[in-house]
Amino acid sequence: AQTVTQSQPEMSVQEAETVTLSCTYDTSESDYYLFWYKQPPSRQMILVIRQEAYKQQNATENRFSVNFQKAAKSFSLKISDSQLGDAAMYFCASKQGGSEKLVFGKGTKLTVNP
Amino acid sequence: DAGITQSPRHKVTETGTPVTLRCHQTENHRYMYWYRQDPGHGLRLIHYSYGVKDTDKGEVSDGYSVSRSKTEDFLLTLESATSSQTSVYFCAISSLGSSGANVLTFGAGSRLTVL
Repeated sequence: AQTVTQSQPEMSVQEAETVTLSCTYDTSESDYYLFWYKQPPSRQMILVIRQEAYKQQNATENRFSVNFQKAAKSFSLKISDSQLGDAAMYFCASKQGGSEKLVFGKGTKLTVNP
Repeated sequence: DAGITQSPRHKVTETGTPVTLRCHQTENHRYMYWYRQDPGHGLRLIHYSYGVKDTDKGEVSDGYSVSRSKTEDFLLTLESATSSQTSVYFCAISSLGSSGANVLTFGAGSRLTVL
C-alpha cells in the first residue's frame, strides 16, 4: 500500500526567504509519480510541481523546486524568495503507475510573515 | 475552475437524510474522482470513475455510492447521512500530462454539514 507522510503540520517563513517542506513516501512499485499541491484559503487545490520517479533530475517550476531522493523515499519542496501569496496548505501526493489512485499526505500549513 | 463545477457548494442536512453531490465537467475527461478532506487526514479518495458506468472504490467508500450516466456528470450519494460524513468534498478530473503523470484538476469543493 502507498503511504505519504508529511511530518511538519505547520511551518513559517519570512517573506523573501527560502523554506523547505518535507515529505516521505512508501511504495512497492518502481513506476510512480509524486506531486505537490497547494491549497490557499480559497480552498482551491492547485498543482505546484510533479516528479516522475524514473527521472533523476529534480523538477523545477520557477521559485518551486523539489529534492527527490529516491533511495530515501523523500520528496521535499523548496520555495525560494517566499511571497505572501505562498501562504497555504501544501499537500504531498503519490500515484503508482497503472493506478488511478492519488494518495495524499496530511498537509503542511505554511505561513509567510511580512 | 478549469471546467469543473460542483453543486451544491454548501449544504446543511440532518442525520438520516439522503444527500447527492454533483460534479459536472466540460473537459470531456475520462477519469473523475470524489475526495473528502478532513482536518488531520488530508484528502482521501472515496470513489472514482474511469468511464460511463465504470466506477471503483477508493479508501473510504463505506456509506457512499456513485453514478456516472454521462461523461460530464459524476454524482456522489450519501444514502443516509451521518455526522461522520460532515466534510469538504472535492471532485477532480484527470488531465494526463505529456509524461503520463496523472495530474488532477480539482473543483472548488462542497462543504457538507450533517447535524
